[in-house]
Amino acid sequence: EAAVTQSPRNKVAVTGGKVTLSCNQTNNHNNMYWYRQDTGHGLRLIHYSYGAGSTEKGDIPDGYKASRPSQENFSLILELATPSQTSVYFCASGGQGAPTEVFFGKGTRLTVV
Amino acid sequence: SQWGEENLQALSIQEGEDVTMNCSYKTYTTVVHWYRQDSGRGPALIILIRSNEREKRSGRLRATLDTSSQSSSLSITAAQCEDTAVYFCATDTGYQNFYFGKGTSLTVIP
Repeated sequence: EAAVTQSPRNKVAVTGGKVTLSCNQTNNHNNMYWYRQDTGHGLRLIHYSYGAGSTEKGDIPDGYKASRPSQENFSLILELATPSQTSVYFCASGGQGAPTEVFFGKGTRLTVV
Repeated sequence: SQWGEENLQALSIQEGEDVTMNCSYKTYTTVVHWYRQDSGRGPALIILIRSNEREKRSGRLRATLDTSSQSSSLSITAAQCEDTAVYFCATDTGYQNFYFGKGTSLTVIP
């Protein structure tokens, strides 16, 4: 079964601190995504990647960086965390070709205090 | 954003009733995906419908797509308590960029 694993599952960070959210997939998918989910906004795309070494901006990239060092791993980096970045973050992976199914991890709950 | 500005909708129905959820999108898509999200978990695909299909069925689920009005619907027949979840539609422009609507929270009451 397709597997996307996120770590940590919960994180409390201080304002101005650096936060790294990690994602690992064993699906051998080229495409990976980071979304955030907030009440009233649904899922919003932050960054995505088409493969190792590539990162692209999604709808709301400001304040976030992404890193794709390998096919399996995709990280989301908050260099200077702010309380407005308190949210639930989901990583997902998907294959190439249309249509394709996107598989999500279980999410990371981030609280910035 | 790919989607209209509707807020997250909430529906509450009795077990055994039928329910239809709608969404609209702004730009071209090759396929509409419908995902469900259970509390505390990530979304999971339940049905998808391609741009050349008007209707797709899977068990008690029925999805429709009207590309002329850029809208899609998901119907659940004879809803059961385990159908309680948040349902999202998502578009795929063909570049594997998935854009999700704000979702519909469905509660099925026994």
